[in-house]
Amino acid sequence: DAKTTQPPSMDCAEGRAANLPCNHSTISGNEYVYWYRQIHSQGPQYIIHGLKNNETNEMASLIITEDRKSSTLILPHATLRDTAVYYCIVGFFGNEKLTFGTGTRLTIIP
Amino acid sequence: EPEVTQTPSHQVTQMGQEVILRCVPISNHLYFYWYRQILGQKVEFLVSFYNNEISEKSEIFDDQFSVERPDGSNFTLKIRSTKLEDSAMYFCASSEGKEWSGELFFGEGSRLTVL
Repeated sequence: DAKTTQPPSMDCAEGRAANLPCNHSTISGNEYVYWYRQIHSQGPQYIIHGLKNNETNEMASLIITEDRKSSTLILPHATLRDTAVYYCIVGFFGNEKLTFGTGTRLTIIP
Repeated sequence: EPEVTQTPSHQVTQMGQEVILRCVPISNHLYFYWYRQILGQKVEFLVSFYNNEISEKSEIFDDQFSVERPDGSNFTLKIRSTKLEDSAMYFCASSEGKEWSGELFFGEGSRLTVL
């Protein structure tokens, strides 16, 4: 089973930052945090991943707490196209068998 | 931008029939996967494939399922005798494999409806 807990749904106003929390209190020392999203019924799309340090790419930022028991995905300027289900996944580096949970359904409101 | 392509986008079949779902992974990728998503449920791992053999499979991937890379470009999932509960969206994915980047590239999916 998925080792993460996410709120089932969130809303965010268009143009604002969307902050999606994830709890992974049982994460082990060498497990990474991965974020994917699924727009409508399309295939999941990779967003970002990290181990300890905060990470940023062209899509998002990932903030991992110092104790690594939780993290936050930040979409800095949400657009309507960011409406999707966002999945927080923990796993070992190099293990491409991803265990998806139920995710957070993010709705961007115009 | 390179992408994973899947065919057919939708297939309707009768229970007990054989189905083959096809995927063309990204050309320089070495690892290939099938995942499925029953309507309204989680995305589930089925199988991973590397170097022409299965590297890992889930409990779902029983004897009625098989995978093949017949010609160096296609990657197929065969369901030998379909059941009603096989109705789902099937996603193919690939990854570079040389240096794990954390990124699987998923296709748009093939919707299988078993009647």
